[in-house]
Parts: sequence; C-alpha cells; structure tokens
Amino acid sequence: SQTIHQWPATLVQPVGSPLSLECTVEGTSNPNLYWYRQAAGRGLQLLFYSVGIGQISSEVPQNLSASRPQDRQFILSSKKLLLSDSGFYLCAWSAWPLYEQYFGPGTRLTVT
Amino acid sequence: DQQVKQNSPSLSVQEGRISILNCDYTNSMFDYFLWYKKYPAEGPTFLISISSIKDKNEDGRFTVFLNKSAKHLSLHIVPSQPGDSAVYFCALGGSQGNLIFGKGTKLSVKP
Repeated sequence: SQTIHQWPATLVQPVGSPLSLECTVEGTSNPNLYWYRQAAGRGLQLLFYSVGIGQISSEVPQNLSASRPQDRQFILSSKKLLLSDSGFYLCAWSAWPLYEQYFGPGTRLTVT
Repeated sequence: DQQVKQNSPSLSVQEGRISILNCDYTNSMFDYFLWYKKYPAEGPTFLISISSIKDKNEDGRFTVFLNKSAKHLSLHIVPSQPGDSAVYFCALGGSQGNLIFGKGTKLSVKP
C-alpha cells in the first residue's frame, strides 16, 4: 500500500532563517507530487507541483522553492523565511486520476 | 480573487438529518469538481468527485450535484452522522491534477 511521510510535524523558525521540509512517498512509482499551504483563515493553496524528477511548476510566486531530486522525494525550501510564510504545509501525491490526491500529515510552521 | 467560494464557514446539523454544503466557482475551464474532508491535524482525504459532463454523482450517503449554468456545486450527506463532523473543502481540478480549493466549511453533526 502507498504511504506518504512528511517531517517535521511542527517547526518554529525565526524570520530570515532557512527552511527545508521533506516529503517522501512509498509504494508507488512516478507519482505527481504537490505542495500546498493553508494559512490562517484561508483555504488550501497549491504552491508547487511536479510531474517527474527535476520538473517543478510554480503556482504562486514567492520566496519558496521546490525540488524533486528523486522520483518519490519532494522538498520545499526557503533561503530566508518571512512572517507570512507561517502556515500548515501539506504534501500530496496522485497517480490516476490526478485529482484524487493523497495528503501527508502536514507540517505546522510558525515563523517568529 | 477567489475562484472557489464556500460562503458558509460553518454548519450545524442534527444526527440523522441532511447536511448540505455549498460551493460557488467562477472559472468554468476545469474538468472535475471535488470534495475533500479534513479532520484536525490531518491532511485532507478525497471524498467524492464529479466530471464536468455530469450533474450528479452518488456514493453511499454522499451525493454531489453540479449546476454548470449557475456555477454551483453542492454536497449532500444523508443521513448525517457524528463521525461526519469535519471541515469540507470543495475543489476544482485541472488537467495536471492542480487543485484550487475553497476555504472550507466546518460541519458539526450533533447527536
């Protein structure tokens, strides 16, 4: 069966510090991978998606970036965090149908 | 500019009655319309979907209705159960699986 892992579960970081969130998927090959963010009082916002290794599409311009170094690994990064980067970050994968996505447990990021 | 609007942030329903969750959208270019369910401190889980060429899809207690002319999507849960208490997100699905979500409606089903 397929599983998706995200870590850490919670993170408190000062403004201006770097960020690296990791997501890995098991039990499937060549999945589509997604990063979403849910900010306070807002819905889920798609940040990045990837259809293959090294292929990243950005949905929202910002100071975050994503990378997919391996088929089932998706990394969300920032060189310098802003207060507005606080939120709940979710990684998801899909195969077919693409819209049926499976989400990880999420990372609660607080930028202070 | 919100492409997907869930105008009711919360809904309270008695156990056994019908829950109706609503969603309005502005962009008609999407192929699929979906509902996801989310419990606190967990990621959302896929609940039910409907293709743009249909107007109704049913799965057990859950039925999704699509009114394309009104750009309106609704989810009916009959009968509602306490375990249905969660936040429900409607979403529009693009060709790459890129989803646009609404802000969610918190459903509380009271015993």
